[in-house]
Amino acid sequence: GQQLNQSPQSMFIQEGEDVSMNCTSSSIFNTWLWYKQDPGEGPVLLIALYKAGELTSNGRLTAQFGITRKDSFLNISASIPSDVGIYFCAGQKINTGNQFYFGTGTSLTVIP
Amino acid sequence: ETGVTQTPRHLVMGMTNKKSLKCEQHLGHNAMYWYKQSAKKPLELMFVYNFKEQTENNSVPSRFSPECPNSSHLFLHLHTLQPEDSALYLCASSQSGTGGDQETQYFGPGTRLLVL
Repeated sequence: GQQLNQSPQSMFIQEGEDVSMNCTSSSIFNTWLWYKQDPGEGPVLLIALYKAGELTSNGRLTAQFGITRKDSFLNISASIPSDVGIYFCAGQKINTGNQFYFGTGTSLTVIP
Repeated sequence: ETGVTQTPRHLVMGMTNKKSLKCEQHLGHNAMYWYKQSAKKPLELMFVYNFKEQTENNSVPSRFSPECPNSSHLFLHLHTLQPEDSALYLCASSQSGTGGDQETQYFGPGTRLLVL
């Protein structure tokens, strides 16, 4: 199935730094979701976005639904060691039933 | 705790064994999903059930057989698997499953499967 283009693929940052990652698609989406996955665990939902231009925060995390509806961004401010993990974006197109499309993931390493 | 539980969390099986994975959601959702996640690969959608009816079979080999007796439970029956089937199997659920407004998908913790 269709995959979303997620970048960067991996990031190594110092504790306290801010992080940005994004997801793009060639198709228009009506829903964007951001997940974090720890090793051996299932993805945990961080933020859900439903309107173009929407900006939503969850603690130090902020995500935006792109105006074109073909992209989304996730920012993490003042990173801490427990932010380590793999971050996935997911999107759903309108009127296409149940299917969600997933990004390839961004692996985040935070150096204390 | 996401409201989606999976058992077992870990499973080791031989290629001739038959086993089943179980998923249960406590969110009142109507759609349930099975995904396969292999190392270094993106999530692969396997099956989708909406209101107990299968709406998606993503070219999955017949050695994987899903079952959805009701909207809260989903099973994945496994038989004569191959070593390359070793992966993390994730169950998920979402609200209406129709691609309507404000759909959100929640995942279970996964079953780590090793086929010897």
